[in-house]
Amino acid sequence: DQQVKQNSPSLSVQEGRISILNCDYTNSMFDYFLWYKKYPAEGPTFLISISSIKDKNEDGRFTVFLNKSAKHLSLHIVPSQPGDSAVYFCAASAVGNQFYFGTGTSLTVIP
Amino acid sequence: DAGVTQSPTHLIKTRGQQVTLRCSPKSGHDTVSWYQQALGQGPQFIFQYYEEEERQRGNFPDRFSGHQFPNYSSELNVNALLLGDSALYLCASSPAPQTRKTQYFGPGTRLLVL
Repeated sequence: DQQVKQNSPSLSVQEGRISILNCDYTNSMFDYFLWYKKYPAEGPTFLISISSIKDKNEDGRFTVFLNKSAKHLSLHIVPSQPGDSAVYFCAASAVGNQFYFGTGTSLTVIP
Repeated sequence: DAGVTQSPTHLIKTRGQQVTLRCSPKSGHDTVSWYQQALGQGPQFIFQYYEEEERQRGNFPDRFSGHQFPNYSSELNVNALLLGDSALYLCASSPAPQTRKTQYFGPGTRLLVL
C-alpha cells in the first residue's frame, strides 16, 4: 500500500533551469511533508519541509508547494546546479506517526 | 561532531541466518528509527526506539527486532533471513520521538542475503 508516490523515476534538467519534482499522497491525515536528498553511499539528507497549514515554503533555491485538495506536493529548484544531481525522496506523516516515503526521483542536472 | 554512524557498511549472509546491525545516533539525540530501503524503493519504517523501548513499529514481521542501549545506540536484529531481506538498512536519529524535521540519517548498511 503505497501511500506516498513519486511517479517520475528520473528527471533531466539543464543547468540554470528549473527542476520540478512531484509527489502525490493518498492519506488525508498526513499533515507534515518533507523532502530528502540522497547521494550514492550516503544517507538521505533533510532538505525542506512544509506543514499542512501552509501551501508554500521557501528556502533559498528550494521551494515546496502543497496542494491539499489534490493531495499533491512539488519541489522546485531554481536555478538548478550540477551539484543538485541526486535522488530526491518525499515523505509524509500524520501527527505522532511514522514517516512514509516515496520511491524517489533521480535528478540529473546537465552542465 | 560525529553524525549518525552505522556498522558494518556491507554484509553478506545466507538464508536462515541471523544478522545484527548497529547504529550510533548523532550527539544529543536520544531517539533512533530504523528503515529498510529495498532496491528502487523508498525507505520503509521498521521501528523506533526511545528510552530503550520500542515506541512505534511499521509493517514488519517479528523476525525484525531491536534494542536500544543506555547510551542511545541501537541494534537491529533480523532472524531467519530471507532473500527478500536484501536491502539497505538505514538508521535515523532525532532529539525526541515525535520530532519531524530533524531526523538525521546514517549512511546505511547494505545487506545481501544469498
